[in-house]
Amino acid sequence: DGGITQSPKYLFRKEGQNVTLSCEQNLNHDAMYWYRQDPGQGLRLIYYSQIVNDFQKGDIAEGYSVSREKKESFPLTVTSAQKNPTAFYLCASSVRDGTDTQYFGPGTRLTVL
Amino acid sequence: KQEVTQIPAALSVPEGENLVLNCSFTDSAIYNLQWFRQDPGKGLTSLLLIQSSQREQTSGRLNASLDKSSGRSTLYIAASQPGDSATYLCAPSDYKLSFGAGTTVTVRA
Repeated sequence: DGGITQSPKYLFRKEGQNVTLSCEQNLNHDAMYWYRQDPGQGLRLIYYSQIVNDFQKGDIAEGYSVSREKKESFPLTVTSAQKNPTAFYLCASSVRDGTDTQYFGPGTRLTVL
Repeated sequence: KQEVTQIPAALSVPEGENLVLNCSFTDSAIYNLQWFRQDPGKGLTSLLLIQSSQREQTSGRLNASLDKSSGRSTLYIAASQPGDSATYLCAPSDYKLSFGAGTTVTVRA
């Protein structure tokens, strides 16, 4: 059963703590992405990776970090430097087949207490 | 920087009516444009992808048009059903997707 999984579905963290969101795909896609969604706004790109061991900053990378050690996995760490981390986080992946159709995971809702 | 606007922000129609969702974008140098559906608290589901060389794309009751030169795309949903209630997002791509805030559709039974 192919797809993208994100865990956990809901995450609570205290101010000042780092937290890592998981994203795994078994679609054999080369590219992976992290987006943030706030109420009433469109998705904003945090980081993306086109290939293992390489990643680039998106539009709102400050306060976040990523790694891409395996093709299947692209974890996102929300650091204490992120001023307003409460949001819905979405991971996506795509295959470079000329269409670059992106497929999304179910999301993780992060709440800072 | 690509700016994407979706009008209207919300739409409520009785079952059976046709839906017209508009999307405009500021930079016409796009690679393709995707329309997504998002149910509350869920991820995005890709509905249609239109390549920059195409004028429209159809899937079942859905039809999307693209006028790249004027920076516009329209999603048509024929004979709406309550199950069509969701938020619809437009995303032009120059390799990276840029998203509008979406149109939230409610179809009343």
